[in-house]
Amino acid sequence: AQSVTQLGSHVSVSEGALVLLRCNYSSSVPPYLFWYVQYPNQGLQLLLKYTTGATLVKGINGFEAEFKKSETSFHLTKPSAHMSDAAEYFCAVSLYNFNKFYFGSGTKLNVKP
Amino acid sequence: DGGITQSPKYLFRKEGQNVTLSCEQNLNHDAMYWYRQDPGQGLRLIYYSQIVNDFQKGDIAEGYSVSREKKESFPLTVTSAQKNPTAFYLCASVGGLTSQPQHFGDGTRLSIL
Repeated sequence: AQSVTQLGSHVSVSEGALVLLRCNYSSSVPPYLFWYVQYPNQGLQLLLKYTTGATLVKGINGFEAEFKKSETSFHLTKPSAHMSDAAEYFCAVSLYNFNKFYFGSGTKLNVKP
Repeated sequence: DGGITQSPKYLFRKEGQNVTLSCEQNLNHDAMYWYRQDPGQGLRLIYYSQIVNDFQKGDIAEGYSVSREKKESFPLTVTSAQKNPTAFYLCASVGGLTSQPQHFGDGTRLSIL
């Protein structure tokens, strides 16, 4: 069975500090990987995705993530946090030839002024 | 603009009552999904459909039913058998290859009167 683990249900950073949200997955085959952001009472918006090719992926709003196969990780980073980044972030995986997606339990990011 | 429309935004259910949540997409996507979101539990898959007139149970299908009579529509019925229906419900769709990300609606919040 596939699983996605997000370490830390809540992360708090100061404005301007580095944001690091962790995601590890278990998969017997190379997955496709996604990060989504969710603001209160809204749906999920895609931040970035990894399918094939370059392992460092850049997304919207200054976020990026690096796929590390050896560590089965896909951590999300942003060099400098902004107040508007406060939201919940979800890591997700899907497998080749299966239109099924597996989500982590989410990480709520709090940004302190 | 193409997207997914969920209605209503807020819904209240009385004891013993069935309610139906609407999900419509104009993205021409083949696959559609229903998720339930509870605090701290991420997204849990209720049902999904990869093609018209066909759908599969997800991880928590008990107490729910769906239909897929049209490509653009995937309504979810929360039946009286679902004893704890209070949650945020998200509809999603994806088109084409499995490397594509899901698109999400803005959700329906269901509460018990």
